[in-house]
Amino acid sequence: GQSLEQPSEVTAVEGAIVQINCTYQTSGFYGLSWYQQHDGGAPTFLSYNALDGLEETGRFSSFLSRSDSYGYLLLQELQMKDSASYFCAVGGTGGFKTIFGAGTRLFVKA
Amino acid sequence: DAGVIQSPRHEVTEMGQEVTLRCKPISGHNSLFWYRQTMMRGLELLIYFNNNVPIDDSGMPEDRFSAKMPNASFSTLKIQPSEPRDSAVYFCASSPRTGADTIYFGEGSWLTVV
Repeated sequence: GQSLEQPSEVTAVEGAIVQINCTYQTSGFYGLSWYQQHDGGAPTFLSYNALDGLEETGRFSSFLSRSDSYGYLLLQELQMKDSASYFCAVGGTGGFKTIFGAGTRLFVKA
Repeated sequence: DAGVIQSPRHEVTEMGQEVTLRCKPISGHNSLFWYRQTMMRGLELLIYFNNNVPIDDSGMPEDRFSAKMPNASFSTLKIQPSEPRDSAVYFCASSPRTGADTIYFGEGSWLTVV
């Protein structure tokens, strides 16, 4: 089976850096993805890691360690608009069955 | 380019009624997913299709739920009969690759069963 664990809530101040961790268990690993969801909206894709290491996309970076079944999303220069829920997701064997974590609610304070 | 299109956006129905949710994936995408989101259970994968073929429906909660994909540009999720506990946001999503590393979500269908 597949399961993911991530913190339920994180609070940070505007301009700061925040890291959201994700650990996973899957029978066949096919990459770790991150999605952002604002209240009332749909999840939107942020980043994807298939191999170990850091992927950077603007203010957002994502890291993966396959040996540790662990990844994180790093958000820099936090802005109020970054207040949202962030989900990690894994694709299992064959990549089809993409399962999402419970989500981390990020609150950015002024 | 148009994204994933879902209808209806909002539906309120009475318990026992049939509900049909519709989805048009992004053209050229060969994987389609139906997810359900609630506060209690988060984002659950109900079923996914690849090239119009259902690959895994193990997430479908009960026989009351059924999904079809008659062609590459259309899918339905049907609930019959509906129950109050089916109230949720139902997302359809599509992906351009079998690997599903990038999933594009529709805006969701907000279902309330009273």
